[in-house]
Amino acid sequence: DGGITQSPKYLFRKEGQNVTLSCEQNLNHDAMYWYRQDPGQGLRLIYYSQIVNDFQKGDIAEGYSVSREKKESFPLTVTSAQKNPTAFYLCASSKPDPGQGVFEQYFGPGTRLTVT
Amino acid sequence: LAKTTQPISMDSYEGQEVNITCSHNNIATNDYITWYQQFPSQGPRFIIQGYKTKVTNEVASLFIPADRKSSTLSLPRVSLSDTAVYYCLVGPLSGNTGKLIFGQGTTLQVKP
Repeated sequence: DGGITQSPKYLFRKEGQNVTLSCEQNLNHDAMYWYRQDPGQGLRLIYYSQIVNDFQKGDIAEGYSVSREKKESFPLTVTSAQKNPTAFYLCASSKPDPGQGVFEQYFGPGTRLTVT
Repeated sequence: LAKTTQPISMDSYEGQEVNITCSHNNIATNDYITWYQQFPSQGPRFIIQGYKTKVTNEVASLFIPADRKSSTLSLPRVSLSDTAVYYCLVGPLSGNTGKLIFGQGTTLQVKP
């Protein structure tokens, strides 16, 4: 089965600790993304990567860091600098340019992070 | 990227057709219109995408008028399982670089 996996589904941390969220895909997609979703809100882009060893900041990158050492993996670290880290985090992947086809992002099941 | 406006919420009953309209007055020539569906505590799922006129797939239809300043997602004969948030997005396919803007979406509640 091809898809995106995120682990864990629920994560609890104490304030001041860094935490890393896992995202793995076996769709052979070049592009990967991280979004944050707060209750009742839409998704906001944190970071995205179009190719291995390269990534760009999204709209709300402050307090987060990423790495892209392998095509299949795009882990997100929520650092202690993130002022309000409690949220639902979604990872997605896509082909970077579908040409004439449909451009679609495939999303993982999400990780709900609670920081107290 | 073009800003979109859609109703915050809608109610419907099982078996009815539901039409959700999205306004995108500043749509650019190379922008496409895409709709996603999201269930609680899950990632969004692609529904349909189009550029102009009408697009239909196995789950929905997308109507886009000639001026492309709005679009309507049509869900035929909804069931309780169609209760979800529906997002309208507008942006180019080429060089998209993932900069999709997910607004607040439309929360559709289907009642028995």
